[in-house]
Amino acid sequence: QKEVEQDPGPLSVPEGAIVSLNCTYSNSAFQYFMWYRQYSRKGPELLMYTYSSGNKEDGRFTAQVDKSSKYISLFIRDSQPSDSATYLCAIPGNQFYFGTGTSLTVIP
Amino acid sequence: DAGVTQSPTHLIKTRGQQVTLRCSPKSGHDTVSWYQQALGQGPQFIFQYYEEEERQRGNFPDRFSGHQFPNYSSELNVNALLLGDSALYLCASSLVGQGSQPQHFGDGTRLSIL
Repeated sequence: QKEVEQDPGPLSVPEGAIVSLNCTYSNSAFQYFMWYRQYSRKGPELLMYTYSSGNKEDGRFTAQVDKSSKYISLFIRDSQPSDSATYLCAIPGNQFYFGTGTSLTVIP
Repeated sequence: DAGVTQSPTHLIKTRGQQVTLRCSPKSGHDTVSWYQQALGQGPQFIFQYYEEEERQRGNFPDRFSGHQFPNYSSELNVNALLLGDSALYLCASSLVGQGSQPQHFGDGTRLSIL
């Protein structure tokens, strides 16, 4: 079983839509959870960083952690064409574990 | 504030050759990790260097080796290249003792094996 699982998509939505991106993880000891955004031909850049369960909001982005279900989500409100990228969930453990990434396209 | 820089940006090699990739960490960081990202996949951990020593290693053969210099910069070496080594190689830096903190990534070196 992989440490982190992520639906690879691809996901295509119209501009202004609400986007939901999700990951599941296997180790209940994980405490920190991150979302990275990766544009084409670029390295991943940190988008959201959360600790334990609950929600964290930053502008149009909300990260949600449900430790009881071992499920993490990233919501994007009022999606923009500039949000078109690959979104990676990441969890630090013995090493950094990444999901496969979800490719998102926001259509104007 | 200089971020993580990697060189070269692109590289083309043939099977059996050897390659060296380079990374300078973000200013103030002392730990460097290397990742391999195949097309359509998430980054896979290769190894991490701190104090010029390999501290952790992922599931990669010993054809993959590295080095860290006193100024914290690092190299990734891959010997006997295979077609399957074609990927984006990412370097990430962080501070020791803060393993739960986010890592900062460079834009990678895209390696193509012919």
